[in-house]
Amino acid sequence: AQSVTQLGSHVSVSEGALVLLRCNYSSSVPPYLFWYVQYPNQGLQLLLKYTSAATLVKGINGFEAEFKKSETSFHLTKPSAHMSDAAEYFCAVTGRGNTDKLIFGTGTRLQVFP
Amino acid sequence: DAGITQSPRHKVTETGTPVTLRCHQTENHRYMYWYRQDPGHGLRLIHYSYGVKDTDKGEVSDGYSVSRSKTEDFLLTLESATSSQTSVYFCAISTSGGLNTEAFFGQGTRLTVV
Repeated sequence: AQSVTQLGSHVSVSEGALVLLRCNYSSSVPPYLFWYVQYPNQGLQLLLKYTSAATLVKGINGFEAEFKKSETSFHLTKPSAHMSDAAEYFCAVTGRGNTDKLIFGTGTRLQVFP
Repeated sequence: DAGITQSPRHKVTETGTPVTLRCHQTENHRYMYWYRQDPGHGLRLIHYSYGVKDTDKGEVSDGYSVSRSKTEDFLLTLESATSSQTSVYFCAISTSGGLNTEAFFGQGTRLTVV
């Protein structure tokens, strides 16, 4: 069965600092991996996805993530945090079949301080 | 924004009563999903549909049923609501590629069972 583990339910950074949100996956087959963001009182929005085309994936709002098979990781980074980045971030995994389920991690809430 | 409408957006109901949540899409996407979001659990899949009248269970399907009689509507029914079903419910849709393509989420329905 596929799963993802997000390390740290809360992360706090200063504005302008590096953002690093951690995600490790477990999958018996090469997975598809995603990062979603949820702003308060809203649904989820796709930030980026890994589908094996390239290990470094760039997403919206300056975020990127690197797929590392040897570490079974897909950490999300942004070089310089902005106040508007404050939100909850979810890592998710699915298989390659059309009926495979999308399994989410427990989420990491990012706070950005001025 | 993807054309997904969830109704109602907020509901308070009594224990033991049936409740139906509606998800309506205007995108003609084949796949539709119901998730619940609870603190510390991320999003958990309740049921999903990969076509009209084709549905399957997710990881937390007990106490829930679904129906999809036409492409645009996916209904989630709590047969006899319990306090443990107090949650925020999200509908999602995706294209014919299933969840290995982007999933679009509705705004959520906040359900309180008293």
